[in-house]
Amino acid sequence: DIQMTQSPPSLSASLGDKVTITCQASQNINKYIAWYQQKPGKAPRLLIRYTSTLESGTPSRFSGSGSGRDYSFSISNVESEDIASYYCLQYVNLNTFGAGTKLELK
Amino acid sequence: EVQLVETGGGLVQPGRSLKLSCVASGFTFNNYWMSWTRQAPGKGLEWVASITNSGGSTYYPDSVKGRFTISRDNAQNTLYLQMNSLRSEDTATYYCTREGVMDAWGQGASVTVSS
Repeated sequence: DIQMTQSPPSLSASLGDKVTITCQASQNINKYIAWYQQKPGKAPRLLIRYTSTLESGTPSRFSGSGSGRDYSFSISNVESEDIASYYCLQYVNLNTFGAGTKLELK
Repeated sequence: EVQLVETGGGLVQPGRSLKLSCVASGFTFNNYWMSWTRQAPGKGLEWVASITNSGGSTYYPDSVKGRFTISRDNAQNTLYLQMNSLRSEDTATYYCTREGVMDAWGQGASVTVSS
């Protein structure tokens, strides 16, 4: 089974900041990582697939990168609507989620 | 518009069974693998089960293997999750999701396992 180690568990940012979340897989996942945003009481929303491909409707301030076992997700110029929890997901071999990162306003 | 609508959640006693349904619309259901993912209150996301587009193969994590069964009726565009021998730790919101990348999610069905 593939494990996903996501960090940090929480993040405090000011509006306009750039924030970065990382996920490390227990083995090479060949860029098959996706990133989700979840707001309280709502279902998660897919933002990025295959490391860096933005879904339709995902603002360009969101980005993803990485390869092998190590991946990152960034939000440049954080806006108030970005306050949410974020999760990574590997989908190369069934599915494993990271533990999540809660983004809060400083 | 892609839509996934889960039903069947509720309160159930430990050791009992419950079956969730998910009706899909807005896409060709039998072209896609489908999955169930859950989220315990205040916790993260956990993949629970997947089924191939034909229904010929199913996959589960160890936490539910032998207790949960995923199935589908492609004629009815419906996905199911049969949950047996339920435990308190199965209390969660259960989401129906599309494809391995989970590019579409239902609104979720709440399952509470408690005496």
